[in-house]
Amino acid sequence: AQSVTQPDIHITVSEGASLELRCNYSYGATPYLFWYVQSPGQGLQLLLKYFSGDTLVQGIKGFEAEFKRSQSSFNLRKPSVHWSDAAEYFCAVGVGAGNMLTFGGGTRLMVKP
Amino acid sequence: EAGVAQSPRYKIIEKRQSVAFWCNPISGHATLYWYQQILGQGPKLLIQFQNNGVVDDSQLPKDRFSAERLKGVDSTLKIQPAKLEDSAVYLCASSLVNRVETQYFGPGTRLLVL
Repeated sequence: AQSVTQPDIHITVSEGASLELRCNYSYGATPYLFWYVQSPGQGLQLLLKYFSGDTLVQGIKGFEAEFKRSQSSFNLRKPSVHWSDAAEYFCAVGVGAGNMLTFGGGTRLMVKP
Repeated sequence: EAGVAQSPRYKIIEKRQSVAFWCNPISGHATLYWYQQILGQGPKLLIQFQNNGVVDDSQLPKDRFSAERLKGVDSTLKIQPAKLEDSAVYLCASSLVNRVETQYFGPGTRLLVL
């Protein structure tokens, strides 16, 4: 069965600093890969997705992610973090005929002023 | 375009009571999902419908959880009887058939079992 690991449970960065959130997956083939953001009390919002092609994908709110097949990773990056980026971030893989999503445990991002 | 609607937003019950959650998907989305998100964890898929048929319910605790989507549109998830460990946010999502990239989530129902 597929699995998703987000090694960092909490990350704190200063506003304006760069950000990288790690995601590793375990699956026999290349899955569909996603990053979602969840603000307190809110539902999940899709930031970006990778299906095939260019391994560097751009998303909303200035986020990007890079798929590295050799490392089974799909890390999320942002060059300059804003205070409003404080939230929980989830990596997910979509596999199977029904393309069901399997989520990682999440990384909580805190932003220092 | 209206998003995925869920109600209620919050529910507090005592253990052994029953509770039901309702979800109305995005118009035209034949696939509907229910996820359970326990505090501090990522969402876990409980059940997936395509129209009114079940695609996958392998992680649904069938001794106490049930779900239906009788007319292939809105859906109800029920817990009977509830346990303390059922305290979680229950997220509903919908998508086009076999198009996981079109999956959108509702705001969730936060359940607290005392």
